[in-house]
Amino acid sequence: EVQLVQSGAEVKKPGESLRISCKGSGYTFTNYWINWVRQMPGKGLEWMGRIDPSDSYTNYSPSFRGHVTISVDRSVSSAYLQWSSLQASDTAIYYCARRYDVTGFHDLWGQGTLVTVSS
Amino acid sequence: ETVMTQSPATLSVSPGERATLSCRASQNVKNNLAWYQQKPGQAPRLLIYGASTRATGIPARFSGSGSGTDFTLTISSLQSEDFAVYYCQQWGLTFGGGTKVEIK
Repeated sequence: EVQLVQSGAEVKKPGESLRISCKGSGYTFTNYWINWVRQMPGKGLEWMGRIDPSDSYTNYSPSFRGHVTISVDRSVSSAYLQWSSLQASDTAIYYCARRYDVTGFHDLWGQGTLVTVSS
Repeated sequence: ETVMTQSPATLSVSPGERATLSCRASQNVKNNLAWYQQKPGQAPRLLIYGASTRATGIPARFSGSGSGTDFTLTISSLQSEDFAVYYCQQWGLTFGGGTKVEIK
């Protein structure tokens, strides 16, 4: 089965670091870019950035550049979203999604990871 | 950065009726526009890509049209399972703010 499976929910304190993961299976992981999308509580979808697993090339939205890092480990078919210092405003559900082709649409989504940042 | 604007924010429709959702881009995105459906507690699901091509398994009552800056998603006869939030996205980048389709 073709799927993206994300790591479980996290509860963190402000200032802590965090890395969440997205594991692809059922397809050739390096053939498709992986995107990260944020959804704050009760709000819409925000595109954060993407990575090409074949060479680790990344693009970031200006809104997120410098605040998060996207990486990949080809050996375990996984992409990661990382924070070095969380803020309460990072509380959200984070989705990974596969880019189907150069037009960019997301044909396959992970189930989402809820990140809660609270003191 | 291309800004995507969806209207209306909320659409109240009776089951069996037609729903028309709009999405406008701040600059020309050609036909590189996708639509997604999101139900409460679920990840988004791809409905339409290339402005008008239905994704695998999407019922024919969903149709997309438009190019350049103005796009439309039409649901010809709303079923109970169609009440959800719908998002447009350009070039796999910025999303619109969403349209919630609710039961009238």
